Amino acid sequence: DAKTTQPPSMDCAEGRAANLPCNHSTISGNEYVYWYRQIHSQGPQYIIHGLKNNETNEMASLIITEDRKSSTLILPHATLRDTAVYYCIVRVVVAGAQKLVFGQGTRLTINP
Amino acid sequence: DGGITQSPKYLFRKEGQNVTLSCEQNLNHDAMYWYRQDPGQGLRLIYYSQIVNDFQKGDIAEGYSVSREKKESFPLTVTSAQKNPTAFYLCASSSLAGGLNEQFFGPGTRLTVL
Repeated sequence: DAKTTQPPSMDCAEGRAANLPCNHSTISGNEYVYWYRQIHSQGPQYIIHGLKNNETNEMASLIITEDRKSSTLILPHATLRDTAVYYCIVRVVVAGAQKLVFGQGTRLTINP
Repeated sequence: DGGITQSPKYLFRKEGQNVTLSCEQNLNHDAMYWYRQDPGQGLRLIYYSQIVNDFQKGDIAEGYSVSREKKESFPLTVTSAQKNPTAFYLCASSSLAGGLNEQFFGPGTRLTVL
């Protein structure tokens, strides 16, 4: 699996867009980019995933660069409840169970 | 409500005792997983199962055992052979249909061995 690099922490003001970067320079052509987040002392929550096109859902947008070596998760209007650790994971999609490899993630703090 | 339940939320045991953590899901998912999380760290995979009566070791299986006798249940036993069992334990499940296999996580059990 390709390794990902994320900043250890970020701050964002409430109501602004939070942009969380992730580098995955060794990603291969069949690996997807997944984002999960973990609010303190809870189980991780799936946010979004993508292969090469930009993706948007009700929670966030995922922008993947054309060379696929990096991506950005965008929370368009951050709220205090978005304070969490955000994990960027690169994963091959294969038939069967998936072994997600979580790094240390980015601790995002939304400030009032 | 569909979801994954783990019980109890907090568990205390004396050193040398085996302890079993419960994980139940009513999402009709085929695959189930156990992860361990230490303070300030990401999750590490202990065991996973794709089908009833079958399971595979993850990256840190030593000192742990599992069973999968029912599709809905995947209990984890932390044995006395696990050298540092105090941690936050998370169970997850996923469907194997459709390809991308998003994992749904339970609320976790925080185990403290005294």
